[in-house]
Amino acid sequence: AQSVTQLGSHVSVSEGALVLLRCNYSSSVPPYLFWYVQYPNQGLQLLLKYTTGATLVKGINGFEAEFKKSETSFHLTKPSAHMSDAAEYFCAVRPNTGNQFYFGTGTSLTVIP
Amino acid sequence: DAGVTQSPTHLIKTRGQQVTLRCSPKSGHDTVSWYQQALGQGPQFIFQYYEEEERQRGNFPDRFSGHQFPNYSSELNVNALLLGDSALYLCASSLGGGLSNQPQHFGDGTRLSIL
Repeated sequence: AQSVTQLGSHVSVSEGALVLLRCNYSSSVPPYLFWYVQYPNQGLQLLLKYTTGATLVKGINGFEAEFKKSETSFHLTKPSAHMSDAAEYFCAVRPNTGNQFYFGTGTSLTVIP
Repeated sequence: DAGVTQSPTHLIKTRGQQVTLRCSPKSGHDTVSWYQQALGQGPQFIFQYYEEEERQRGNFPDRFSGHQFPNYSSELNVNALLLGDSALYLCASSLGGGLSNQPQHFGDGTRLSIL
């Protein structure tokens, strides 16, 4: 079965600083990769996805992620944090066969003014 | 364009009772997946419905069952509720039986509390 590891359950950054949220997956075959954001009392909103092609993926709200096959990683970055970025972030993978999404345990991002 | 809608938003039940949660997929979507998200955890896959059939199931007991209707909406039923069933239940929709490269679109969930 797939597993998704998000290093750091809590990350704090200053407003304007770089955001880096880490995600590693376990799979011998590169799966499809996704990042979602969850605000309090809401469902998950898609930030970006990697399926095939360019390994650097740009998403909404200035976020981007890079797929690195050799490191089995899909880390999420944003050059400059904004207060509105404070939320829970989930990395998810989906094998390229089958219908099931596997989610990490999430990283809570705090932005300090 | 309506997104994924779930009802009710909150629900309180007691142990041993049964509950039904409802989901209407995003317009144009025909596939519905259900997830359980315990407090402080990531969503855990329960099952997926496509063409009114359960297509794949996660590691959940038979107390969890579902249904998909011809209009693609779906229900999640949980019998003999346990305290551990307290969680946020999320519905996600997608297109085409869950094509692997398609993202899922999530509703805001139903918060189920078991007393």
